Amino acid sequence: EPEVTQTPSHQVTQMGQEVILRCVPISNHLYFYWYRQILGQKVEFLVSFYNNEISEKSEIFDDQFSVERPDGSNFTLKIRSTKLEDSAMYFCASSPQGARSNQPQHFGDGTRLSIL
Amino acid sequence: AQSVTQPDIHITVSEGASLELRCNYSYGATPYLFWYVQSPGQGLQLLLKYFSGDTLVQGIKGFEAEFKRSQSSFNLRKPSVHWSDAAEYFCAVQGGADGLTFGKGTHLIIQP
Repeated sequence: EPEVTQTPSHQVTQMGQEVILRCVPISNHLYFYWYRQILGQKVEFLVSFYNNEISEKSEIFDDQFSVERPDGSNFTLKIRSTKLEDSAMYFCASSPQGARSNQPQHFGDGTRLSIL
Repeated sequence: AQSVTQPDIHITVSEGASLELRCNYSYGATPYLFWYVQSPGQGLQLLLKYFSGDTLVQGIKGFEAEFKRSQSSFNLRKPSVHWSDAAEYFCAVQGGADGLTFGKGTHLIIQP
């Protein structure tokens, strides 16, 4: 069964540095998402992306964050000037169609980001 | 705005016993509802989903869930749990927006 793959599985970064988290969505999916799960807390929506632009974003997704689909397969989340509170598990997800489409989102295994 | 409440943070069940995990949601119209499972160090795996139609939905690994509009609930059930079911279970709702809204999760512990 096709999977969403995320790399790296664990990223350790010094505070203030930039980090790029990478995701390869399922190949025929058109909608892509990033979520965040701070340790011990619930999974939170960050952003959705369709047709090479942001479709929707949450309050968490401020100017520190950006997303990009640099080629036909990768979907990236960039975090600039990382802070300690950015430490979390970041999940990528994809779906064939968008909201209210009877198509669930499929999640990757996540990247654990640790900011030192 | 939509929200999800999972009232039980931890649940302990004996292997072979039945299981029910509770989920209540808040949304103005009929939502799409999901249960995901997260094993330690793993991602989120979709167990089952409700979009419309039959309010009792079957999922993978022998799980089922029932949508009750009058109670705004979508409880997850399994008649007989296995040790491999130990994991974190998340209920999620999708309203009119792209993003899923998750509950805080229920940690399931299986006793031998």
